[in-house]
Amino acid sequence: DVKVTQSSRYLVKRTGEKVFLECVQDMDHENMFWYRQDPGLGLRLIYFSYDVKMKEKGDIPEGYSVSREKKERFSLILESASTNQTSMYLCASPDRTGELFFGEGSRLTVL
Amino acid sequence: AQSVTQPDIHITVSEGASLELRCNYSYGATPYLFWYVQSPGQGLQLLLKYFSGDTLVQGIKGFEAEFKRSQSSFNLRKPSVHWSDAAEYFCAAMNTGFQKLVFGTGTRLLVSP
Repeated sequence: DVKVTQSSRYLVKRTGEKVFLECVQDMDHENMFWYRQDPGLGLRLIYFSYDVKMKEKGDIPEGYSVSREKKERFSLILESASTNQTSMYLCASPDRTGELFFGEGSRLTVL
Repeated sequence: AQSVTQPDIHITVSEGASLELRCNYSYGATPYLFWYVQSPGQGLQLLLKYFSGDTLVQGIKGFEAEFKRSQSSFNLRKPSVHWSDAAEYFCAAMNTGFQKLVFGTGTRLLVSP
């Protein structure tokens, strides 16, 4: 089975802190995505990557950056966390049929 | 811009009744289309997907979806809803390069006895 692992299930950070969310997939997939999920807004794409060191902005990249130094790892970075970044963050990776495999999510609270 | 629209935020159906959830997409070319379901506190599960070919797609749990190019729609249907179908349903679209996957805002299904 494809496995997408997010390093932290729950995080509490203070405004202004730098936050790293890590995601690792074990099936050699090319593409990886970061979404945030908020009630009533569905899943919104923050960034995606289609190869090592390649990244593309999604629909809401402001306040975020990403890093893909290795194929299996895709990190989401909040340089200076703000309260409006309190959310559930989901990492996902599609296989060659397009089916998206999700991590369990990282619930971030920014105080 | 590429987008997916689910016009219904909430839908309530009686158990045993039929269900149709609407999804419209706006893409330059026909994208790949998906329906996902998310039960409370759970992750997203793929119900079905459409890439090409037969426009009526069968999925898991008795769901099906019909692709209509002329209407840019990919509506999800089920002939008889069960209480366990209560969940949030997301339509999604991906360009044919398997790159950017965009989700709709979701439709929450409530099932009444």
